Amino acid sequence: QKEVEQDPGPLSVPEGAIVSLNCTYSNSAFQYFMWYRQYSRKGPELLMYTYSSGNKEDGRFTAQVDKSSKYISLFIRDSQPSDSATYLCAMTARGNEKLTFGTGTRLTIIP
Amino acid sequence: GAVVSQHPSRVICKSGTSVKIECRSLDFQATTMFWYRQFPKQSLMLMATSNEGSKATYEQGVEKDKFLINHASLTLSTLTVTSAHPEDSSFYICSARAFPGANVLTFGAGSRLTVL
Repeated sequence: QKEVEQDPGPLSVPEGAIVSLNCTYSNSAFQYFMWYRQYSRKGPELLMYTYSSGNKEDGRFTAQVDKSSKYISLFIRDSQPSDSATYLCAMTARGNEKLTFGTGTRLTIIP
Repeated sequence: GAVVSQHPSRVICKSGTSVKIECRSLDFQATTMFWYRQFPKQSLMLMATSNEGSKATYEQGVEKDKFLINHASLTLSTLTVTSAHPEDSSFYICSARAFPGANVLTFGAGSRLTVL
């Protein structure tokens, strides 16, 4: 079993829809949780990060962490074609420099 | 915001030559930088951790003599792919922790290496 599981997709949704992206993990020591967006042939761009459990909102993006279920989510509201990219979740334990990445979910927003 | 700059973005070289990729933190100091490799449609694979003023720490299976890492200053780390071969063709991405106290990485734009 991988430490971090992420559905690779591909996921296609119509423009304006709410997108839900998820990751599950097995290591209870993980405390930092990140979401990255990666366009084709570009480096990953940090979208949001949260520490421990809870919600965090930034514009159209909301990140949720449920440590009791070992489950994290990224919601995208009013999705736009420019949101089409691969979304990677990543996480790490406090004091551990190495990130553990999900495989990434390919998202396409259909105009 | 914190920016990690990587250069070159694309490089094509002949088999047997060496290629150097630079990674700079533009508005912050990075005592540690991380080098990743990414194959098409796959996630990122950590190659090594670059430490300013000391030797890099390589992940299991990564040849340190093949992938030379130098972290000579608090804002610059370099990755040199020595005696490159076609199987070294890949997307190389560096990163650094730009948020003090938070274990969160900011990535460069990546360097696509093609070895002919």
